[in-house]
Formats: sequence, structure tokens, C-alpha cells
Amino acid sequence: QKEVEQDPGPLSVPEGAIVSLNCTYSNSAFQYFMWYRQYSRKGPELLMYTYSSGNKEDGRFTAQVDKSSKYISLFIRDSQPSDSATYLCAMSARGSGSARQLTFGSGTQLTVLP
Amino acid sequence: EAQVTQNPRYLITVTGKKLTVTCSQNMNHEYMSWYRQDPGLGLRQIYYSMNVEVTDKGDVPEGYKVSRKEKRNFPLILESPSPNQTSLYFCASSSGRYNSPLHFGNGTRLTVT
Repeated sequence: QKEVEQDPGPLSVPEGAIVSLNCTYSNSAFQYFMWYRQYSRKGPELLMYTYSSGNKEDGRFTAQVDKSSKYISLFIRDSQPSDSATYLCAMSARGSGSARQLTFGSGTQLTVLP
Repeated sequence: EAQVTQNPRYLITVTGKKLTVTCSQNMNHEYMSWYRQDPGLGLRQIYYSMNVEVTDKGDVPEGYKVSRKEKRNFPLILESPSPNQTSLYFCASSSGRYNSPLHFGNGTRLTVT
């Protein structure tokens, strides 16, 4: 079993829809949670960063962490065609979101149709 | 512009022919890392470097070498490439400070025949 499980999709939604992307994990030591967005033929870029449980909101994006269920989510409100990308969850057990110990999900491919 | 630059973007080679993928960052980052990305497997770390002359193995180091002689450069070396090393490779860097993100290059797609 992988440490981090992520539904690969593909997920296709109409413009304006609310999108929910999810990851589950098995390592209870994870406490730093990130979402990266990867456009086609580009490298991933950090979208959201959350420490421990709770919610974090940034514009149309909301990240949620439920450590009791070992489940994290990324919600995209009023989705736009420019949100079409692959979304990767990533998590770490060490302080500072230790880059050397990031474990990535396999990514969910999202297409927002105009 | 702050960036991580990888070269080449695309590379096709044959089994056993040594190759080097270069990576350079202009952000004075101490931390650099190489990942490979394969369908269904996500990003897996190959090697990382905490600073000049300090390197360590990631999750899938077999068949790869790295060096960190200068802070800005972190080349990935495949001494004897094999078809199972066909993949999309990413170099990344970070300052390593609290909450600092990983900055990725745009990838190198390697095909070994």
C-alpha cells in the first residue's frame, strides 16, 4: 500500500463548478500538507500549504486537513478553464515541511470545460 | 527571474550510453533535489543535496549519480542508462527555511531504447 493515495482521475467539470480533490495517507506522523499544481509540460508549483488539522483559504482555493481520518482535500470554487492542470498532494513529517522528506501523491488530472 | 533550469528538455538515447542532465538555480538555494515522475507513481525522489559537497540518496537512487560542486548546479548522471529509466525528470530547489516551497524546473523527458 502506498503511503499517499490519490485518485488519478481524469476529472472533467464545467466552468463555475466546485471541485473537490482528495488524498488519503497512512503515516500518522505526517503533519505538513501541501498541494502542488502542475500544468502540462511544466514543473509543479506550490499552491497551498497547511500545518496539522484545519482549513486554509486562499482566494478560490480551500485546503482541509482531517488528521483523525488521515484525509486531506483541496476545494476549488468557481472553477475556471485556467485551473485545468494536474494537482498533486504532498506531505511531510518533519519540521519546516522538510523538502527532503516530502511524499507526493500520484496526482489528479483536472479539466475545466468552458 | 527566479528559476530552476534543466537541460535538455527532451532526450532520446540508447541503453548503456552515459548521459548527464544539467540543473541550475539562480535563487542561491542550499537545498536541491532530483525527482522522477511516472504515471500512477507520482514524484519519487532520486537524490538530494543539502549544500555544496553534501548529497544523499532518496527513495529510488539505483542507477543514478549526482554531484554538487557548486551551490547553483546539481547535475544528474546516468552512467549506463537502461529502458526502466525512461521517465520525466524534475530538478527542484528550496531555501530549506520554514515554509519554503520547492521550486521545480520544467522537466526533462528521457527515453532510453
